[in-house]
Amino acid sequence: KAGVTQTPRYLIKTRGQQVTLSCSPISGHRSVSWYQQTPGQGLQFLFEYFSETQRNKGNFPGRFSGRQFSNSRSEMNVSTLELGDSALYLCASSTLGQGNYGYTFGSGTRLTVV
Amino acid sequence: TQLLEQSPQFLSIQEGENLTVYCNSSSVFSSLQWYRQEPGEGPVLLVTVVTGGEVKKLKRLTFQFGDARKDSSLHITAAQPGDTGLYLCAGVDSNYQLIWGAGTKLIIKP
Repeated sequence: KAGVTQTPRYLIKTRGQQVTLSCSPISGHRSVSWYQQTPGQGLQFLFEYFSETQRNKGNFPGRFSGRQFSNSRSEMNVSTLELGDSALYLCASSTLGQGNYGYTFGSGTRLTVV
Repeated sequence: TQLLEQSPQFLSIQEGENLTVYCNSSSVFSSLQWYRQEPGEGPVLLVTVVTGGEVKKLKRLTFQFGDARKDSSLHITAAQPGDTGLYLCAGVDSNYQLIWGAGTKLIIKP
């Protein structure tokens, strides 16, 4: 079966712009989580959506937002981009979420803010 | 703040050697997962351990969950260049939150 698909793979944006990243989970998976990964901070949890509802949220400013659609696809948006937002953004899906069963990750979107 | 400490942070060894990576915490986890991540890709789930004292084997990789469910180890026997990558552990806490370690960067030289 198809894996987790993230688009685009690479993105270059200018400081102050906004960006929208997309994630299509594995068919049947209702939980989608988003992570930011940087060399210095490791994997940082952004938020988790389950059946179109945000179930958990990490410690990120309000510039970071997300949503999930009825088909479980998810998008995350970052407004007013800062240089420090440059990172690999990873999406992970699972059947029920809440960690216990492990996650399947996409290949990520590499965002560079210049 | 719950922490999951991984050690070592970086390990570079020759092909054929054995190694162990550790994941330690003062908190109890209901389960613990190990992932391997290659550059430019997302982490791939290797194993989930649930029961205290549990040992799981995946070919040359042996995973162990501590009796108190606060720590875990990953042992690789006869490492190969294909084992190169970033190894991440993640524990599920009592609030069903996934707590991530910072990772161990492993390089196996031919």
